[in-house]
Amino acid sequence: KTQVEQSPQSLVVRQGENCVLQCNYSVTPDNHLRWFKQDTGKGLVSLTVLVDQKDKTSNGRYSATLDKDAKHSTLHITATLLDDTATYICVVGADYGNEKITFGAGTKLTIKP
Amino acid sequence: DPKIIQKPKYLVAVTGSEKILICEQYLGHNAMYWYRQSAKKPLEFMFSYSYQKLMDNQTASSRFQPQSSKKNHLDLQITALKPDDSATYFCASSQDDRGYEQYFGPGTRLTVL
Repeated sequence: KTQVEQSPQSLVVRQGENCVLQCNYSVTPDNHLRWFKQDTGKGLVSLTVLVDQKDKTSNGRYSATLDKDAKHSTLHITATLLDDTATYICVVGADYGNEKITFGAGTKLTIKP
Repeated sequence: DPKIIQKPKYLVAVTGSEKILICEQYLGHNAMYWYRQSAKKPLEFMFSYSYQKLMDNQTASSRFQPQSSKKNHLDLQITALKPDDSATYFCASSQDDRGYEQYFGPGTRLTVL
């Protein structure tokens, strides 16, 4: 059973528009949740990390929320740019110290002019 | 200048052979990690090291052996290679073993024929 589910699997957005990516998980314990951006064929870049029971973070045009009660996180991208085209991966970290982490399959975001 | 170096970028090997994937980080971090990304699977966590000690191993096969000769090095030795080992292997590091903000290398793409 998939422990970290991301939706949608793929998304096409026109440049300048906003979009929201979803992450639902069943991993326990859920110490922290991270969102990564992965450009095609490249490594991962950390966008944000959420830790608290109900958490919000903001990093430029990226903002994220986490609700541990609902085991749900969202990643908002505002005023999208062509460079935002990438796969966005949700990662749930389970344990302090021992880095047991579970990756989602990612949402493939394509920004069109 | 790249802060996390992985060598080689591309690697082709024959079934049954042995290869070593190199990872060096120049971020002054104390924790390092290996991940694997196969063509049709989400990113998978393999190992975590903290201060050159193994913290977590989520790789079932003993054919995968991390090697840490220095604090900023974590190489990955793979023996008796199989075609299923074909994947991109990512190295990452973080300040400590909580791994809240992990920085990823560019990856080594391994193809086993």
